[in-house]
Amino acid sequence: NAGVMQNPRHLVRRRGQEARLRCSPMKGHSHVYWYRQLPEEGLKFMVYLQKENIIDESGMPKERFSAEFPKEGPSILRIQQVVRGDSAAYFCASSPSGDTEAFFGQGTRLTVV
Amino acid sequence: QQQVKQSPQSLIVQKGGISIINCAYENTAFDYFPWYQQFPGKGPALLIAIRPDVSEKKEGRFTISFNKSAKQFSLHIMDSQPGDSATYFCAASMTNTGNQFYFGTGTSLTVIP
Repeated sequence: NAGVMQNPRHLVRRRGQEARLRCSPMKGHSHVYWYRQLPEEGLKFMVYLQKENIIDESGMPKERFSAEFPKEGPSILRIQQVVRGDSAAYFCASSPSGDTEAFFGQGTRLTVV
Repeated sequence: QQQVKQSPQSLIVQKGGISIINCAYENTAFDYFPWYQQFPGKGPALLIAIRPDVSEKKEGRFTISFNKSAKQFSLHIMDSQPGDSATYFCAASMTNTGNQFYFGTGTSLTVIP
């Protein structure tokens, strides 16, 4: 059973471009969480999704950020018009249900130049 | 505000010694408390977790002690090894509202041979 797969592992974008981060949860997991980790800091919750539904996006910046988890395919975290402050590691976690342990992917390290 | 406070920020322990990391929380609605281990460039890996109906949980060299009245929990690593050198994060969540994690700021552990 493969773990949580995130791609790309590293992403470089110029200011103003769009960044698309993908997350394929573990097989059988229908709950996906996105977290952001700034250098030397802990992880901050961004958004919680189940298939085709956003359950909680209280940690998402109000502008430029969006997330989806379609019926088919990976979950996508999309950042439009990236700025230097978006540079961080973005981690996805999946869970078989919303009340058990969550397993993290290796993360996508976004660098905005 | 920081919902979970973690200390110390960094810790140096001799091989064979005991590493102790402490966390405190405010929200009494939290009912799931995992610890994650993270190596540089990798995603967090679940180490051990506890629910508030028990005061201690042990898995191999890792033990969580939980004090519900004090709203504190700690990770003890017995017989610490150089391979344990990593960053450790405590977290807390409310499993009945989606299980989004609130992470501590992390402890960088170095085990000296």
